[in-house]
Amino acid sequence: EIVLTQSPGTLSLSPGDTATLSCRASQSVSSRYLAWYQQKPGQAPSLLIYGASIRATGIPDRFSGSGSGTDFTLTISRLEPEDFAVYCCQQYVSSPITFGQGTRLEIK
Amino acid sequence: EVQLVESGGGLVQPGRSLRLSCAASGFTFDDYAMHWVRQVPGKGLEWVSGISWNSGSTGYADSVKGRFTISRDNAKNTVDLQMNSLRAEDTALYYCARGPVVSVRPMWFDNWGQGTLVTVSS
Repeated sequence: EIVLTQSPGTLSLSPGDTATLSCRASQSVSSRYLAWYQQKPGQAPSLLIYGASIRATGIPDRFSGSGSGTDFTLTISRLEPEDFAVYCCQQYVSSPITFGQGTRLEIK
Repeated sequence: EVQLVESGGGLVQPGRSLRLSCAASGFTFDDYAMHWVRQVPGKGLEWVSGISWNSGSTGYADSVKGRFTISRDNAKNTVDLQMNSLRAEDTALYYCARGPVVSVRPMWFDNWGQGTLVTVSS
């Protein structure tokens, strides 16, 4: 199974900053088979990005995904208070589907 | 509006069974595969099982294979997870999630329910 490792574990930033979150796969997931989710406390995950770089419906363009092969990045520009949450990546190039352990984005 | 509402969670002893259900609304249910994903509170997500639009294909994580069975009723817009021989390590919040296509092949999840908590303990 493909293991996804996210870094950093916790990222402390201020509103208005830019957040850069990393997701590294134990083997290639191509350039298309990676998704990103946002999860706020007490809530279900919410899809942000699929196909490594395609924003889901209603997701603002402050959120952008990039990468290919084994290294992927989620960039959140101009952080707003509601962006502080946990973010996790997911690969779907092969079964079983696997998720990263998450990066917590907290207010500095 | 897409809605997925899980039910059936609770406290159960090791070795016993539990059946979870997910009621879907706001979309054409049989146009989509459905999945169960679980999360130990404070931990990461784990895909558990998925079922294609017509129940023709199913998939299971190795950790639950042979113990859990997924099924769906397109007339009632529900997807169930029958969990047998439960273990302490099955304790988690179980989410119902929608795949973006009809087949159960690995994909992202575009809508999630709020989850139902399963606690396996004596």
